[in-house]
Amino acid sequence: AQTVTQSQPEMSVQEAETVTLSCTYDTSESDYYLFWYKQPPSRQMILVIRQEAYKQQNATENRFSVNFQKAAKSFSLKISDSQLGDAAMYFCAYRNSGGGADGLTFGKGTHLIIQP
Amino acid sequence: NAGVTQTPKFRILKIGQSMTLQCAQDMNHNYMYWYRQDPGMGLKLIYYSVGAGITDKGEVPNGYNVSRSTTEDFPLRLELAAPSQTSVYFCASSYSEVKDTQYFGPGTRLTVL
Repeated sequence: AQTVTQSQPEMSVQEAETVTLSCTYDTSESDYYLFWYKQPPSRQMILVIRQEAYKQQNATENRFSVNFQKAAKSFSLKISDSQLGDAAMYFCAYRNSGGGADGLTFGKGTHLIIQP
Repeated sequence: NAGVTQTPKFRILKIGQSMTLQCAQDMNHNYMYWYRQDPGMGLKLIYYSVGAGITDKGEVPNGYNVSRSTTEDFPLRLELAAPSQTSVYFCASSYSEVKDTQYFGPGTRLTVL
């Protein structure tokens, strides 16, 4: 079974600064997908960014980018120019690329605080 | 498009009661999922469905049942509520498997006393 570990229960950053959230995972598969989801106080799960393991290029979405290190099984999220609206829980998630429709495996989350 | 909708938003049950959490999507997605999120934890998969009439167990299925009679609806049934089922429940859907983004509903907060 796959596992996802987020070692930072909470992170704090000044508004407009850059912050990096860590995620490691364990899998014996060579092809898979990795995701970062944001969960604000409203509880809605919002997809931030997605990475396909077979792609070497790191995914980016505006101020959000990832550092995907396949050999190290590491998938960190970098948020540049942090904004107050970025405050939320952030979850790293994994999914196999093989057959079947089993769902996502989530980490425990990192609570991101933005200091004004 | 309303996306993925869930009802109710909140519910308090007594031990032994039963209830159905409703989930519907209007995106014509084939795949639907039920997750639970316990305090301080990530989401865990309860059940999933790859299409009408087809369901399968996830990581934590005990105490729950599902059905999928239409593409749009995927209700989750709790037959004999227990305090261990106190959690926030999320329904999600995706067009196809694996690479497609899962879209989540707003969640149902359930408390069993």
